[in-house]
Parts: sequence; C-alpha cells; structure tokens
Amino acid sequence: EVQLLESGGGLVQPGGSLRLSCAASGFTFSSCAMSWVRQAPGKGLELVAYTTGSSGHAYYAESVKGRFTISRDNPKNTLYLQMNNLRVEDTALYYCAKGNGDGAYTWLASWGRGTLVTVSS
Amino acid sequence: DTVMTQSPESLAVSLGERATINCKSSQSVFYSSNNKNYLAWYQQKPGQPPKLLIYWASTRESGVPDRFSGSGSGTDFALTISSLQAEDVAVYYCQQYEIPPHTFGGGTKVEIK
Repeated sequence: EVQLLESGGGLVQPGGSLRLSCAASGFTFSSCAMSWVRQAPGKGLELVAYTTGSSGHAYYAESVKGRFTISRDNPKNTLYLQMNNLRVEDTALYYCAKGNGDGAYTWLASWGRGTLVTVSS
Repeated sequence: DTVMTQSPESLAVSLGERATINCKSSQSVFYSSNNKNYLAWYQQKPGQPPKLLIYWASTRESGVPDRFSGSGSGTDFALTISSLQAEDVAVYYCQQYEIPPHTFGGGTKVEIK
C-alpha cells in the first residue's frame, strides 16, 4: 500500500524558511515522479513543484520559482521542499503526491494528507 | 502557463440524476505522437486529500465506480457522473499534465439538490 507522510509544517514569519519532508513507502520511490501541491484555506489546488524519478529534473510554478527548491533522497525514500523567503500568500496545506511513473508527464496517483504551513507575523 | 477553466463553479443535482462538469484548457493537451490527451480528474471530499478518478481524459482509475466517466479531446473535456450518489458530494478538479508546470482547474463543487 502506498503511503506518503508529510511533516515539517508550522508557523513562520514572513521572510522565514521551512523545510517540508515526505516519507514514502509501499512503492519504488526512485522510479516515480513526485510533486508538492498546495491548497490555500478554502481555495483550489496549485502544483508548486515536481521532480522526475531517476533523473531528478525539477519544475516549479512561477509563484515559487527562485524561492522554493524540491529535492529527493532516493535511498531514504524521502521528498523535500525547501521554502525560503516565505510570504503570507504561501499559507496553505501542502500535499505530497506520487506520479504514476518516472517521467515529467504523469498524473498524481496517490496523495498524502498534507502538512499545514502558516506564514504570519 | 496553461489555464484550465472549469464550469460551473457549483452544481446541485438530485440523487440518481446526471451531473456534468466541464473543463477547458487554454492550449491543447493532446499529444499526437501517442494519440493521448494529458488530462486527469480528481475528487476531493471535505477534510480529505484529492483522489484520482480519471487519467488520459477517459481512463478510470482502478476501483472508481463506473458511474464516473471522462470525455473530450484537445481543449474541451467533461466529467460525467451518470447517477449521482450521496457519497459523490465533493469538489472535482481537472488537471493537465502535458505542459509544465501542470495546472489545475479552479474546481467544481457538487451538491445534492
């Protein structure tokens, strides 16, 4: 059974930093593209970053480019999202999601339950 | 970025009746080399993460009831629930995964009339 467990969320001041983690199990992590998707309170879904499996190529939404970095540790089956220079508008529930395969062009087959990031002074 | 526009924003349907949600992409998500539309649909119930329903615009994910169906090609797509059940109350999202960064529609809330 696929399991994705996010952690690392919390309250941070504007301009601050956080690192989110996603511990994966139940599938071959290194063979799957992985994504971070966020959902602001009462709003829709926004894919903020994703990384391919074996090659580790990364893609970012314009709203986070230059501030967020997605990375993965395949031996540890863990996905990360380093978030710097956080803004109030980054406040959201951040989901980790698994792609169907290795490549960049895949749907999101499984989702974690999310970790909440609140940016406020 | 590719803009995904869903309509309507909300929909109230009687139990057992049909519900149809539309999704329009600002660019074609059809890839002629493999004859596939890079379009997925997700269901999100209150307090839960999204759940994959359909990929390749019309292929149901394993375990998804056959009352859910996807259709369309190019830039215009639809998700149909043929006979609405109480457990189908949710917000539904389309997503294109052909043109990075992959983008979602704004969501359609489905309720019981």
